[in-house]
Amino acid sequence: GDSVTQMEGPVTLSEEAFLTINCTYTATGYPSLFWYVQYPGEGLQLLLKATKADDKGSNKGFEATYRKETTSFHLEKGSVQVSDSAVYFCALNAGNQFYFGTGTSLTVIP
Amino acid sequence: DAGITQSPRYKITETGRQVTLMCHQTWSHSYMFWYRQDLGHGLRLIYYSAAADITDKGEVPDGYVVSRSKTENFPLTLESATRSQTSVYFCASSERIEQFFGPGTRLTVL
Repeated sequence: GDSVTQMEGPVTLSEEAFLTINCTYTATGYPSLFWYVQYPGEGLQLLLKATKADDKGSNKGFEATYRKETTSFHLEKGSVQVSDSAVYFCALNAGNQFYFGTGTSLTVIP
Repeated sequence: DAGITQSPRYKITETGRQVTLMCHQTWSHSYMFWYRQDLGHGLRLIYYSAAADITDKGEVPDGYVVSRSKTENFPLTLESATRSQTSVYFCASSERIEQFFGPGTRLTVL
């Protein structure tokens, strides 16, 4: 069946470091892909999305490219800030069935 | 307020009591979802609804009941609460592509 696998955490980085959180997926058909962010005590917020192969989603300095050949949607940011500390979820939508990864906790230290 | 809201935000109840968690969205999205989030389990789908009067089970439906008489509301009822239902509950809605999440209800069953 459809599924999402993302990098285990927690991840701890120094401010201004480069961030990569890996995400791979298994799906029949052509899913849409997402990254959500969850700050402490809050719900999930959509960070970025891509709806077809080779699309690049971007928002707040974060980017992810929909790679069909490697079934991946890795999240990257060139220079993280303390305010980026949160849990990040990779997700896919295949025919209005949503699948989420287990989440990756990111802590950015000054 | 526009968006998706949940009430109450916090609830403490006792084993065996009936509890209803409310979810309301102002976008007229067709799809609505209930998830629970627990450490070590990520997000798990309880129930979802494709339209008013149409509901279906998710991954962990036992002990929960839903209804959807109006498009904008999707209440979740725990008929006889158990300690294992202590969790954070998130409601979400979707029209076609991405899901939008509410702020969550933290439920404690004593």
